[in-house]
Amino acid sequence: KAGVTQTPRYLIKTRGQQVTLSCSPISGHRSVSWYQQTPGQGLQFLFEYFSETQRNKGNFPGRFSGRQFSNSRSEMNVSTLELGDSALYLCASSLMPSGGNQPQHFGDGTRLSIL
Amino acid sequence: DQQVKQNSPSLSVQEGRISILNCDYTNSMFDYFLWYKKYPAEGPTFLISISSIKDKNEDGRFTVFLNKSAKHLSLHIVPSQPGDSAVYFCAASASDQGGKLIFGQGTELSVKP
Repeated sequence: KAGVTQTPRYLIKTRGQQVTLSCSPISGHRSVSWYQQTPGQGLQFLFEYFSETQRNKGNFPGRFSGRQFSNSRSEMNVSTLELGDSALYLCASSLMPSGGNQPQHFGDGTRLSIL
Repeated sequence: DQQVKQNSPSLSVQEGRISILNCDYTNSMFDYFLWYKKYPAEGPTFLISISSIKDKNEDGRFTVFLNKSAKHLSLHIVPSQPGDSAVYFCAASASDQGGKLIFGQGTELSVKP
């Protein structure tokens, strides 16, 4: 059974640019969540999508946005990139929305480096 | 305000012995707890979870214990194997607060042969 797939695995951008990351959930999973991992802040929740609707949002500026398509695939976008956005961005999927005592399964992440 | 804390950044254990990883939380609304294992350059892998209505859940070599009064959970790995060497994260969620996962900072486990 294929796991969560994230593309690209590595990305290098410069300050001020924008970036789009992609996530394909496990087949049959309808909930997709995004997390940012940095050495200083650890793993932090960005947002969650279920049935193409954002259900929950973490404490990140509006430069961070996302969407979910009808096939449950999700994208996140970061505009006007800053040096502090350098991080590992992780996508996780689950059968049902979080809060239903369902484990989330993670992809291997996209490593974003801002120069 | 760190709602989930793993106070030990690292732990070293001999192969075959028990590994005990600890996690404390402050939010009494958390009702679901999970442990993940992470190798370098990979995403976290789900290990085991426990609902707040239980105090123990077992899956093979892995057992999670939950002490709600102390707001403490622990992961026991018996027997420990060199392949268990990784960073372990505990996470918690509250179903009436959207269910998003709140992670601890992780504990790096090293199992020596």
